[in-house]
Amino acid sequence: QVHLQESGPGLVKPSETLSLTCTVSGGSVNSHSFYWTWIRQSPGKGPEWIGYVSYGGSTNYNPSLRSRIAMSVDTSKSQFSLKLTSVTAADTAVYYCASSPRGTVTLFDYWGRGALVTVSS
Amino acid sequence: EIVMTQSPATLSVSPGERATLSCGASQSVGNNLAWYQLKPGQAPRLLIYGASTRATGIPARFSGSGSGTEFTLTISSLQSEDFAVYYCQQYYNWPPLTFGGGTKVEIK
Repeated sequence: QVHLQESGPGLVKPSETLSLTCTVSGGSVNSHSFYWTWIRQSPGKGPEWIGYVSYGGSTNYNPSLRSRIAMSVDTSKSQFSLKLTSVTAADTAVYYCASSPRGTVTLFDYWGRGALVTVSS
Repeated sequence: EIVMTQSPATLSVSPGERATLSCGASQSVGNNLAWYQLKPGQAPRLLIYGASTRATGIPARFSGSGSGTEFTLTISSLQSEDFAVYYCQQYYNWPPLTFGGGTKVEIK
């Protein structure tokens, strides 16, 4: 059973960079899945796909966020990370990390419980 | 970008009753449609993919149907653990992958 856990600051100031890490246990970033995804949910809205990073480091981002996102993977630590620059209040959300079953990148079979990030001064 | 629309926003159902949730797509997504269950403080759960295939470990009371632009998730007999928020997601045309706004299933 793969377990995912998000970690990072719960409060980020406007214009600064949001940084989150997802730690994978019960597997590794190159065993269970080839693709590791970030999804967020702002208050009162449906989930929003942010993008993914593969275990080899390739990425694919939501076009609406592409200019501000960077994702990376550290296979030695079984972790993958998200950086979102120049944040505003609109980036306040619960951020989830998720994995995809082998053979797909578009479905999400394991998720973390989510990390609430609030953007405020 | 494909826009997903869910209805109703809130569904009040008594335990043991049937719940029917709808999801519509702004253009055809074929059968590339998934359903997820979200509960506060818990990891979301994949219920259905391919519009009608139950994910591993999902009880038979959950069923999905539809194709093209109209989809339905049916919970045949609601159990206490089924009260949650449900989201549909299309994976036909991306990026971006897109989700609906959700249906909250609450106890009547």
